[in-house]
Amino acid sequence: ETGVTQSPTHLIKTRGQQVTLRCSSQSGHNTVSWYQQALGQGPQFIFQYYREEENGRGNFPPRFSGLQFPNYSSELNVNALELDDSALYLCASSRGREEQYFGPGTRLTVL
Amino acid sequence: AQSVTQPDIHITVSEGASLELRCNYSYGATPYLFWYVQSPGQGLQLLLKYFSGDTLVQGIKGFEAEFKRSQSSFNLRKPSVHWSDAAEYFCAAPNAGGTSYGKLTFGQGTILTVHP
Repeated sequence: ETGVTQSPTHLIKTRGQQVTLRCSSQSGHNTVSWYQQALGQGPQFIFQYYREEENGRGNFPPRFSGLQFPNYSSELNVNALELDDSALYLCASSRGREEQYFGPGTRLTVL
Repeated sequence: AQSVTQPDIHITVSEGASLELRCNYSYGATPYLFWYVQSPGQGLQLLLKYFSGDTLVQGIKGFEAEFKRSQSSFNLRKPSVHWSDAAEYFCAAPNAGGTSYGKLTFGQGTILTVHP
């Protein structure tokens, strides 16, 4: 069984650019959650997608947006990047409200 | 405001010594509570969870945690630490004290260093 995978592993962008991060959920999982983990901090919940619909959002501005596809993989898009967006972005997949499994993350650096 | 607090940013123990990592929560009702571990370059792995019932819960890798309602705490313990336990540990609860695994609020994390 393949676990949660994320791409790319690392990414460097400049302020004002846009970025797309990708997450492939574990087989059989229909729910994907995204988290931002700044250096030295715990992960912060960005949003969750359940069966292609947004199902809850944390305290993040609208320039953070997402998609979930029919195969339940997901994208996180961030527009107008700011220096403070530099962080490890984690996705987690689950079957509904059951235990979620985290991917290894994408390290985003904004210069 | 609902929150999860880990008072210790960094803890150092000797291999073979016992370990206790502190976690306090602030929720109106008893939430689900979780402990996760994160090794460098790895995602988060669930160590154990508390939903209800028995206040002492067992997890993987020899970890256990005790829920104490009177102290609003959910401390993680291990009787004898191994060098491979060196990692960062996070306590978490569902947002708004919910009852699911998802939409989690995490504490700031505790970095565990293990000396030989």
